[in-house]
Amino acid sequence: DAGVIQSPRHEVTEMGQEVTLRCKPISGHDYLFWYRQTMMRGLELLIYFNNNVPIDDSGMPEDRFSAKMPNASFSTLKIQPSEPRDSAVYFCASSLRRARAFFGQGTRLTVV
Amino acid sequence: GEDVEQSLFLSVREGDSSVINCTYTDSSSTYLYWYKQEPGAGLQLLTYIFSNMDMKQDQRLTVLLNKKDKHLSLRIADTQTGDSAIYFCAESMEGNYGGSQGNLIFGKGTKLSVKP
Repeated sequence: DAGVIQSPRHEVTEMGQEVTLRCKPISGHDYLFWYRQTMMRGLELLIYFNNNVPIDDSGMPEDRFSAKMPNASFSTLKIQPSEPRDSAVYFCASSLRRARAFFGQGTRLTVV
Repeated sequence: GEDVEQSLFLSVREGDSSVINCTYTDSSSTYLYWYKQEPGAGLQLLTYIFSNMDMKQDQRLTVLLNKKDKHLSLRIADTQTGDSAIYFCAESMEGNYGGSQGNLIFGKGTKLSVKP
């Protein structure tokens, strides 16, 4: 398996624009997580899914953030409208039941 | 509340042992993990331990868990320059049907620098 695949690796966008981050989890995994990493706050869990259903989205900072998982092999994290303080590295991770989560390489988002 | 704390920096000489420490607050934590993050890369799972274990060894890595003190440590024997990275401690709790509840709570990471 190729591991968790995220795209794009880097994204630079202007404030106010919509940003969509994509994730393909490891085949067969039933949990998918979105994390955000910043220098100030470290790694924060934004939302996670179990069997494509959102279980806990309490980490999503604002209504500008939304996440979907239309099927077991794809998830998106959307920010609309984006703001400079959203600049961070966004990680997607997947796991099979016992939470040995495997992480993607991350998407480095810069909002100018 | 849930909180995982680590010291931010550790510097060692090549060949020495490194010990990275972590404390956590949630006594219901069932799984504890160590992840490694190299510059510009994602997190790589190094090892994990169940809360009913005291120690786990995997080649150069030794994990010690003191559940009473809620203290976890990672010892890297014969540290190499390639071990330079940020090491994250993480905890998760057991879900309703066994296995993990799923979400990991991370510490802020310890940056390990290995001097030749």
